[in-house]
Amino acid sequence: GAGVSQTPSNKVTEKGKYVELRCDPISGHTALYWYRQSLGQGPEFLIYFQGTGAADDSGLPNDRFFAVRPEGSVSTLKIQRTERGDSAVYLCASASGSTDTQYFGPGTRLTVL
Amino acid sequence: QKEVEQNSGPLSVPEGAIASLNCTYSDRGSQSFFWYRQYSGKSPELIMSIYSNGDKEDGRFTAQLNKASQYVSLLIRDSQPSDSATYLCAVRPSNYQLIWGAGTKLIIKP
Repeated sequence: GAGVSQTPSNKVTEKGKYVELRCDPISGHTALYWYRQSLGQGPEFLIYFQGTGAADDSGLPNDRFFAVRPEGSVSTLKIQRTERGDSAVYLCASASGSTDTQYFGPGTRLTVL
Repeated sequence: QKEVEQNSGPLSVPEGAIASLNCTYSDRGSQSFFWYRQYSGKSPELIMSIYSNGDKEDGRFTAQLNKASQYVSLLIRDSQPSDSATYLCAVRPSNYQLIWGAGTKLIIKP
């Protein structure tokens, strides 16, 4: 079946703007993760959903970042008042359960000018 | 602070030789260990997972785990140019969250 998909693949925005990044997980996967990856670094955990609820949002850097998963499938990561330091690749991963293998989407490259 | 350490490299290995990638972790209670491969501009893909001490082989890949030394390694036999990538070590301490290393860049020279 289809893997994890993310849209857009690239997003260029200006400082101070609002952006939404979308993740469509593998069908039936209840666990969904958002990560951020900067050049030369491993993925940095942002938030974990189990079903519709955010089970752990401890990795969100500040209150400009918010994520939802209203129907337990597609998730949207929302960033308000973007800053240049938000520039990174945002990765989404899904898993059939919380302790199962995580499968990654292709990522969204966010550039804040 | 739970940490996963990897040598950033680059590690250069001749084609056909064995590539050895190493990873150490700080949380002694960690239960699950993963190696992901990431090509430039692409997302990580799972290569191997290992849960108990010893070796686990899958084709040209062997993962080795030593919980007493808090050390996990990945061996790639008969290295191919297509193995050139960054290899990320990830550790699951006890629940759902993965702690990631920064990755080792591997270059296989023809």
